[in-house]
Amino acid sequence: QKEVEQNSGPLSVPEGAIASLNCTYSDRGSQSFFWYRQYSGKSPELIMSIYSNGDKEDGRFTAQLNKASQYVSLLIRDSQPSDSATYLCAVTLPSGTYKYIFGTGTRLKVLA
Amino acid sequence: DVKVTQSSRYLVKRTGEKVFLECVQDMDHENMFWYRQDPGLGLRLIYFSYDVKMKEKGDIPEGYSVSREKKERFSLILESASTNQTSMYLCASQRGGQETQYFGPGTRLLVL
Repeated sequence: QKEVEQNSGPLSVPEGAIASLNCTYSDRGSQSFFWYRQYSGKSPELIMSIYSNGDKEDGRFTAQLNKASQYVSLLIRDSQPSDSATYLCAVTLPSGTYKYIFGTGTRLKVLA
Repeated sequence: DVKVTQSSRYLVKRTGEKVFLECVQDMDHENMFWYRQDPGLGLRLIYFSYDVKMKEKGDIPEGYSVSREKKERFSLILESASTNQTSMYLCASQRGGQETQYFGPGTRLLVL
């Protein structure tokens, strides 16, 4: 069974702090990794994608990938109350397939 | 920008009714997907389509069918709605196999 696991939370951080969200996956052949943000009652929207080992930064967001450890994380610097949402990790299966495997999400609460 | 639209935001139907959910994308994407999202279960793939008239079952196809007669349009059909099909239904589109999936706004379906 191919799985993507996330801590459901809630993860509570004070405003201005760094929020660290983690995701592990079971299929060593996975090639593409995505973080989506989902506000309550809304659909997921892409935050970051990462395809190779290391860090990828975009504004206040940094995605980190370690394929050897089968681990992908999302750091949110200077967290704002507007960052309060559920963050979904998604992983693609090996090349030639179309499907994502989604984690069940981590709920983040940024306290003002 | 990719735009994925869904025919209804909210829908209330009776048990046994035939229900049509429609999804349209405007970016000439090859792949389209239907998911349902339930609390604690995350996003689960119902069906996906990689070309016009082509479809494959996802993880939970029972009770559903799909239609893709035109590239931009992917329909989900509940042949005989049941209360356990009450859920948030999300459509997504994707250009290619390892690329980002873009989500529509979702349809919240209540079956009474």
